[in-house]
Amino acid sequence: GESVGLHLPTLSVQEGDNSIINCAYSNSASDYFIWYKQESGKGPQFIIDIRSNMDKRQGQRVTVLLNKTVKHLSLQIAATQPGDSAVYFCAESLKAAGNKLTFGGGTRVLVKP
Amino acid sequence: DTGVSQNPRHKITKRGQNVTFRCDPISEHNRLYWYRQTLGQGPEFLTYFQNEAQLEKSRLLSDRFSAERPKGSFSTLEIQRTEQGDSAMYLCASSPLVVAGGPSGEQYFGPGTRLTVT
Repeated sequence: GESVGLHLPTLSVQEGDNSIINCAYSNSASDYFIWYKQESGKGPQFIIDIRSNMDKRQGQRVTVLLNKTVKHLSLQIAATQPGDSAVYFCAESLKAAGNKLTFGGGTRVLVKP
Repeated sequence: DTGVSQNPRHKITKRGQNVTFRCDPISEHNRLYWYRQTLGQGPEFLTYFQNEAQLEKSRLLSDRFSAERPKGSFSTLEIQRTEQGDSAMYLCASSPLVVAGGPSGEQYFGPGTRLTVT
């Protein structure tokens, strides 16, 4: 398959450790934030989302934190597994703008066995 | 498979030729979005439809680009007189309409069409 991102920031993590991926968003009016995972040759896959009136949301092995004061979003992955190796993108959207997504820069996560 | 499908998966064309891509969204989804992604970048919004109506087009969508969703189901994206700068992955996504108390509007992406213009 083709490479999703050739010159992305890379996070190398040992299998079983926790991963933290950070993202800065641009529009303080955005009301919905999403994390996507993209594997080589595939489209982005939804991981977890959070609305602007929340500051934390947990899913299965993942937690998203939202800090609106500094326009910062983070994704925490617990007990990282080899299948978590991918490029991760944050995205923001605004309901009044049709919920179109504005993506941030991606981060490549490499899980070492 | 009831996810979003896109065809073709890969397209190689010579500069100046026209190309057309197709997207079949999840059947009950009202909204359909097109994005473009170049290597090392996140997807960039191009346009979106609510049912058959095209509600917004990005400034990225030059006059050479046109998108349709004639019956509110599948959509096509056509690029006329392709240029080398059009080489990218073209992604389609669909979502249910966001209404109060309803689904969150999560967008489901297809696998994309990789366009290479030589």
